[in-house]
Amino acid sequence: NAGVTQTPKFQVLKTGQSMTLQCAQDMNHEYMSWYRQDPGMGLRLIHYSVGAGITDQGEVPNGYNVSRSTTEDFPLRLLSAAPSQTSVYFCASSLTWGTGPEQYFGPGTRLTVT
Amino acid sequence: TQLLEQSPQFLSIQEGENLTVYCNSSSVFSSLQWYRQEPGEGPVLLVTVVTGGEVKKLKRLTFQFGDARKDSSLHITAAQTGDTGLYLCAGAGNQFYFGTGTSLTVIP
Repeated sequence: NAGVTQTPKFQVLKTGQSMTLQCAQDMNHEYMSWYRQDPGMGLRLIHYSVGAGITDQGEVPNGYNVSRSTTEDFPLRLLSAAPSQTSVYFCASSLTWGTGPEQYFGPGTRLTVT
Repeated sequence: TQLLEQSPQFLSIQEGENLTVYCNSSSVFSSLQWYRQEPGEGPVLLVTVVTGGEVKKLKRLTFQFGDARKDSSLHITAAQTGDTGLYLCAGAGNQFYFGTGTSLTVIP
């Protein structure tokens, strides 16, 4: 049982490049989400999904796309990278969506856009 | 605009001292969680509080949810070096909202 896995762990992009951050979970969790973490700002929700085929926007969705074709996978796509997207990205999953579900986080992807 | 504000942002104390971290908001949440994050890793859940006025204890850590379910506090008694880390509160509404974080360093 690997929990939540993320790849890559580190990535450097040039402005305008595109890439996909991978996230997978093997706990059969319905709810998955993507956050970015910046100094002094905690974690901010980018996109989330309450089940396969269903996605919705979080607090800071601009510049990012997601899809959820399976329960296990929830990739995050950067369409045209910008320096403002330099951040640490975390994927999380939980068994349900509702009051107080425990979210399990992946180890993070540190992205630098030059 | 940050929905949840934590204070202090940084805290450095000696081993054995007590400390309190605050998490404040003008919004009401259905539940509030506290996470701890270590460098290079994702946050790990410590506790969830659901009822206004609820107090939960986890060994030397005491968590309280405000009566109006808008704020919370985390109190650590006799801090140890292993308590060092980033403490994050998170409120559940229509989404999860994380606080700004409190970076705690416990000096031996």
